[in-house]
Amino acid sequence: QVQLQESGPGLVKPSETLSLSCTVSGDSISNYYWSWVRQPAGKGLEWIGRIYSRGSTTYNPSLKSRLTMSIDTSKNQLSLRLSSVTAADTAVYYCARHGTANSPFDPWGQGTLVTVSS
Amino acid sequence: DIVMTQSPDSLAVSLGERATINCKSSQSVLYSSNNKNYLAWYQQKPGQPPKLLISWASTRESGVPDRFSASGSGTDFTLTISSLQAEDVAVYYCHHYYSSPFTFGQGTKLEIK
Repeated sequence: QVQLQESGPGLVKPSETLSLSCTVSGDSISNYYWSWVRQPAGKGLEWIGRIYSRGSTTYNPSLKSRLTMSIDTSKNQLSLRLSSVTAADTAVYYCARHGTANSPFDPWGQGTLVTVSS
Repeated sequence: DIVMTQSPDSLAVSLGERATINCKSSQSVLYSSNNKNYLAWYQQKPGQPPKLLISWASTRESGVPDRFSASGSGTDFTLTISSLQAEDVAVYYCHHYYSSPFTFGQGTKLEIK
């Protein structure tokens, strides 16, 4: 069965760039859509953006100016870069798969906590 | 953006009793060309990622107990747990995937009374 695993630095300094990876195992990354979702501690879920396996992206307008998503099919991996981070970007970041551009998210990775602090 | 509003924010139900969670979207998530509601329900337990329970407003995912059911169309949706079990304690989220940006309800925390 497909499994997703997020990874990256747990601590990022304010104004720097947050970089995360999501490694997919158990299935090919191709022909699926992949979204990133974040969740501040004790709060709700915020959709960050999605990427198709061929590289097309759709970003949340609230983050678009700071966001870059990419995909490496040879490594079965997707990546997220969020620039100029502040404390408000502190959250658990999840990657999730969806079958079409507009379909529910399943499965999700376990998530990785990113703290923005000096 | 489509705003998803859940009610109540928290809910305490006795074991074996019914739990009902509502979700209202600020605009319809029913796609007329295929008559599908682009609405999902997730369950999130502490320290875990969300788990997809229901897709397309009323389709229960494989392996989800049949005490979970959901209904609704357009802008008003309901998740029902017919007989609450201890393992159902969690936060439940509705989620629309009708158009970008996708959004989630604020969550409903379900506890045992």
